Amino acid sequence: EADIYQTPRYLVIGTGKKITLECSQTMGHDKMYWYQQDPGMELHLIHYSYGVNSTEKGDLSSESTVSRIRTEHFPLTLESARPSHTSQYLCASSEYTGNYGYTFGSGTRLTVV
Amino acid sequence: GENVEQHPSTLSVQEGDSAVIKCTYSDSASNYFPWYKQELGKRPQLIIDIRSNVGEKKDQRIAVTLNKTAKHFSLHITETQPEDSAVYFCAAITYTGGFKTIFGAGTRLFVKA
Repeated sequence: EADIYQTPRYLVIGTGKKITLECSQTMGHDKMYWYQQDPGMELHLIHYSYGVNSTEKGDLSSESTVSRIRTEHFPLTLESARPSHTSQYLCASSEYTGNYGYTFGSGTRLTVV
Repeated sequence: GENVEQHPSTLSVQEGDSAVIKCTYSDSASNYFPWYKQELGKRPQLIIDIRSNVGEKKDQRIAVTLNKTAKHFSLHITETQPEDSAVYFCAAITYTGGFKTIFGAGTRLFVKA
């Protein structure tokens, strides 16, 4: 079934560690996004991409980086995790034409201790 | 910059009553308005959307109305049920002359049995 997949679902990691949150979609969408969300709270855009080799920073200042080498894959990397990074990270994708609504992944709940 | 204001932030209704959530957007170029429902611990999911050339759209117990002149759109849920309890997000998307999505801050709806 076409969908968007995030791994891991939950992650507890120590301060200073480097981590990569994975996001893959099988819907052939060009646009992909990363949002940070404390449970049930506002969605904050961290990064987005309109296609391969295209990445932009969002509204939320973040020490993370992203890459878009393949259409279906949009990983998020934190070079040095801090307790302030504790949150839920949602990946999403959407089309360029027709249906502009987002499909969200199930999220990665990150805890930095 | 552009923004989307969503009200109320919290809404509590009795089962069977109606619920209305309102959003106001600032970018007059916005032309697509989706609504997302996020149940506790789950991903946001698209429940209904409306394009700028339509004034109202209905899908069973949910409906969305759009007033382009006032830059205002609303979600209406009739005959509410406990399973309608969730956080609802509106969004305003501009897909001509560029692509931009702005989410509202969310409304937490409680339906009391």
